[in-house]
This record gives sequence, C-alpha cells and structure tokens, in this order.
Amino acid sequence: QQQVKQSPQSLIVQKGGISIINCAYENTAFDYFPWYQQFPGKGPALLIAIRPDVSEKKEGRFTISFNKSAKQFSLHIMDSQPGDSATYFCAANSGSARQLTFGSGTQLTVLP
Amino acid sequence: ETGVTQTPRHLVMGMTNKKSLKCEQHLGHNAMYWYKQSAKKPLELMFVYSLEERVENNSVPSRFSPECPNSSHLFLHLHTLQPEDSALYLCASSPEEGQPQHFGDGTRLSIL
Repeated sequence: QQQVKQSPQSLIVQKGGISIINCAYENTAFDYFPWYQQFPGKGPALLIAIRPDVSEKKEGRFTISFNKSAKQFSLHIMDSQPGDSATYFCAANSGSARQLTFGSGTQLTVLP
Repeated sequence: ETGVTQTPRHLVMGMTNKKSLKCEQHLGHNAMYWYKQSAKKPLELMFVYSLEERVENNSVPSRFSPECPNSSHLFLHLHTLQPEDSALYLCASSPEEGQPQHFGDGTRLSIL
C-alpha cells in the first residue's frame, strides 16, 4: 500500500514535444506529491509539487495533473528541450509519515 | 550550491575495510536522511534523524552505522560491506520530518 508505481521506465521525445510521466498510488492518506529531477552525477532536486486540493499545478513548462479518484498523478513537460534530459522521480507522502515514498524513476531523453 | 554537501564523491573499498561517508547541511534543517540509490530501483530510505535522534531505521544491515553528532552533520560508517552494497548513497535534509527534502550529490560507493 506504500508503493508508488511510475511509468514509463524510459522515454525518448523529440525537441519541442510533450513528455508525459505517470504515477499511481494506493495509500489514500497521501496528501503531498512532489516530483524530483536528477541529472547524472547529481542528487535529486525538487522540481514541482502538488497537494490533492487542486487538480493541476503549472510552473513554466512543467505541469502536474492530479486525479484523486483514480489515485494517479502525472508530470507533463511542454516544449521539451535537450536540457530536460534527466531522470524524473515521483514521490508521495502523508502528513503523519516521516518519509517520502518514491517511484522507480523515468529516464527522459530529449533528442535535438 | 545545493546546501547539502557530501564527501567523498567517490569511494572504492574492499570488503574488509572501514570507511565513513560524511554529509553536511547549511540550511538550518532539523531532519536528515540517508538513502541508497541503485540502478533501476526506487530510492531506498535507510535512516532518518530528527533533532539528532534516530527516528527511523528501515531494516538496514548492521554493517551500516549512522551517526548524527549535531543537526548539521550526518555520517554513515561502513564496515565489512558486500558487493551488493555498491550504489550511490544520498544524504538529504528537510526543515522537519516529512517536509520537502534537499539532496546532496551523493557518494558513489564501489565494493571490490
């Protein structure tokens, strides 16, 4: 019940295209859903996060869509750029939990 | 500058060696974490410290021994490691437990 399932494992997108990464969860107590971006040789960095009181959050080219009834959330990267090539992790947490539960990651490659 | 600094960045050690990983955060956070990151697997939480007290130990083998002398420093002491312990070890901190985490760039550990 603590798992967060992330797909796809890898994704290749042409420059200018839309990258979509999906995550699903089971624990209905989760109330915070961050996305992390990790470049090679670097630690994960918080990219964008959402709470379930809204269905969408947008920051620049990055948008989180949240579907509470389906227990799913996704990251959309609009106008994808080669500099977006990285590994993306979704995660989830509940207020009472001490730790984030991470997805297994998606390796995104944006072709020039 | 991520605010969370890990040293060394790379470490190669034999199975009988003893070494320590160091993490330092300059963010004034009260919670610190050790994670293990292996290829194609979710981030594995190892230990959580809050105000210098260990509050979580996720069934980590005793060959890994954490130490938190103050809220800015976290160590991971290693001894008699196994080849399957080769991985990227990430340190993170957050203002309080369960809040957004800031990661260091990790120590790449290779066990011969």
